[in-house]
Amino acid sequence: DIQMAQSPSSLSASVGDRVTITCRASQGVSNYLVWFQQKPGKAPKSLIFAATSLQSGVPSKFSGSGSGTDFTLTINSLQPEDFATYYCQQYDTYPYTFGQGTKLEIK
Amino acid sequence: EVQLVESGGGLVQPGGSLRLSCSASGFTFRSNAMHWVRQAPGKGPEYVSAITADGYNTFYADSVKGRFTISRDNSKDTLSLLMSSLRTDDTAVYYCVKVDWGAVRDSGGPLHDYWGQGALVTVSS
Repeated sequence: DIQMAQSPSSLSASVGDRVTITCRASQGVSNYLVWFQQKPGKAPKSLIFAATSLQSGVPSKFSGSGSGTDFTLTINSLQPEDFATYYCQQYDTYPYTFGQGTKLEIK
Repeated sequence: EVQLVESGGGLVQPGGSLRLSCSASGFTFRSNAMHWVRQAPGKGPEYVSAITADGYNTFYADSVKGRFTISRDNSKDTLSLLMSSLRTDDTAVYYCVKVDWGAVRDSGGPLHDYWGQGALVTVSS
């Protein structure tokens, strides 16, 4: 299985900050990479697919970059509703696999 | 509106069995591949099993292969997951998911993913 390693595992930031989360695949996955946001008790919500494409209805403060094995998610101008856990997931090869998550907390 | 409603979760002893169901509506069920994704407490999600639209091809994560069986009834718009020989590490929220990752790979988008509310399965003595 393709392993997905996210860093950091947790991140403390303030409202208005810009943050970046990284995701590394154990082998190349082209641009078949999606980013999810998850809040407690809820299903994951897709934010970015194809590594860089913004999901419909998601604000442009979210952006993604990367290809191959290294990817990043950037969130600009953090608002209270952005504090959640973020996951990357590859959809190159089944079983599709997730990173272990990055918990974004308010400083 | 696409709706996916899981049922059948609960408490089961190690070694026991449980069947999850997912009732689908708002789309042409028989034309779509379906997935089960689980999430153990405090962990990231994990794809457990998938089934093609016609039900002829199934896929399993190594962690459940030989113990779990995915199936579907296209006449009743229902997806099922029969879980046997359950272990404590199968404890998780199980989500029914509609998404065609193959189409997203081939076309580059758009992405249409839909998740149910989840069913909690607890394996404990």
